[in-house]
This record gives sequence, C-alpha cells and structure tokens, in this order.
Amino acid sequence: KAGVTQTPRYLIKTRGQQVTLSCSPISGHRSVSWYQQTPGQGLQFLFEYFSETQRNKGNFPGRFSGRQFSNSRSEMNVSTLELGDSALYLCASSLDQEQNTGELFFGEGSRLTVL
Amino acid sequence: AQSVAQPEDQVNVAEGNPLTVKCTYSVSGNPYLFWYVQYPNRGLQFLLKYITGDNLVKGSYGFEAEFNKSQTSFHLKKPSALVSDSALYFCAVRDGDSWGKLQFGAGTQVVVTP
Repeated sequence: KAGVTQTPRYLIKTRGQQVTLSCSPISGHRSVSWYQQTPGQGLQFLFEYFSETQRNKGNFPGRFSGRQFSNSRSEMNVSTLELGDSALYLCASSLDQEQNTGELFFGEGSRLTVL
Repeated sequence: AQSVAQPEDQVNVAEGNPLTVKCTYSVSGNPYLFWYVQYPNRGLQFLLKYITGDNLVKGSYGFEAEFNKSQTSFHLKKPSALVSDSALYFCAVRDGDSWGKLQFGAGTQVVVTP
C-alpha cells in the first residue's frame, strides 16, 4: 500500500508569492491534516479535512488555506509569502472517524524556503 | 486546552543502555496520548498510543510507554538502545474531538553513542 505522498518535496519562493502544496493520502483514508514544522515553533496544527469539509483549523492567519477533493487528495495554499513561512509542511492521513484507531500516517513533507 | 511537555531537549545514552524520554500532559477529560519519531529530513512515524486500558503500552521497534495518571506522565522507554534509535521524538495529545488534530511537544533529540 502506498504511503502518504506530498509534492513538491522542496521549493523556493520569494516574499509576496504564493505556493500550493499537494497531499495524496493513503488509499481509503478520508481524513487529511496539515502541520507546519519550524525550529522555533515546533509542530503546529494547520487544519484538518474530512469528506471535503474543513473539520478543524489551527491558529494561523487567513493567508493559509486548504481544500480537499472528492478523492480525498488535499492541497494547501499560502498566499503573500513571508520569510517566517519557511518551514517543513507535513501532511497526515487517517481512517474515517468510526474506524480510526488514532494513528496518523505522515508524508515526508514539503520543505518551503522563502527568500 | 490540551498540552504536553517534554522537559529534555536532548537525551544522550550509550548503546545497550536503557532509554527513557519524558513527557507530561495536561488535559481536560480523557487523555489520548501518542509518541512519534522523526528521522532527519523525513516525516513522523507512529510508535505507540494510549487510549484506554493497560497503563503499559507496547509499540513499534521495541519501544513501550507507561501511562501514569497520578503523575500525568507518559514516558517513552526502551530497555536497550540502538544507535539507529538516534532521532527526534515527539509526544502528542489529541486536541479536540477528532484524531487529526494533535498538540505536539517540543521534541526530544535522542543521541545513542556506540
């Protein structure tokens, strides 16, 4: 079974630009969560999607947005990039609520550098 | 709000010796606790979880964790550390009503020397 796939793995942007990151969950997983990892702030929850609906949202500005498609693939978008947005963005998937045992399966992340 | 704390930034241990990584938690309601490990330039890998039941939880790669309600702790342990256990370890707690939202600790870097 293929794991969680994130693309691109690495990217470099400049301030003011926008970026879109993609996540393909494990087949059959309907929940997708996004996390930001930085040396200073650690791992911070961005948002969670389930069946194309945002179920939870972390404490991030509106420049951070996401969506989920009918095939459970998810994208997150960051507009008007700032230097502080440089981070490893991690996507995680899990089974639907009734069958979930709590384990999240993480992708290898998309490392964003903002210059 | 749910939170976990990892008091040690780094733990150094010699190969073959016992390894302990500490975690304390603060929750309202039942605690759902997890340990994840991260190797360099990789995502997180699930090690084990406490949802309910036995206080001693066994997980992957020979790791186990002891849930202690009175001390609000969930320490990760391994009887005999390997050099390959060197990695960044995160304690986490479910934050809210869904499994996808976790509150992570700051992480503990484990260094196992030969």
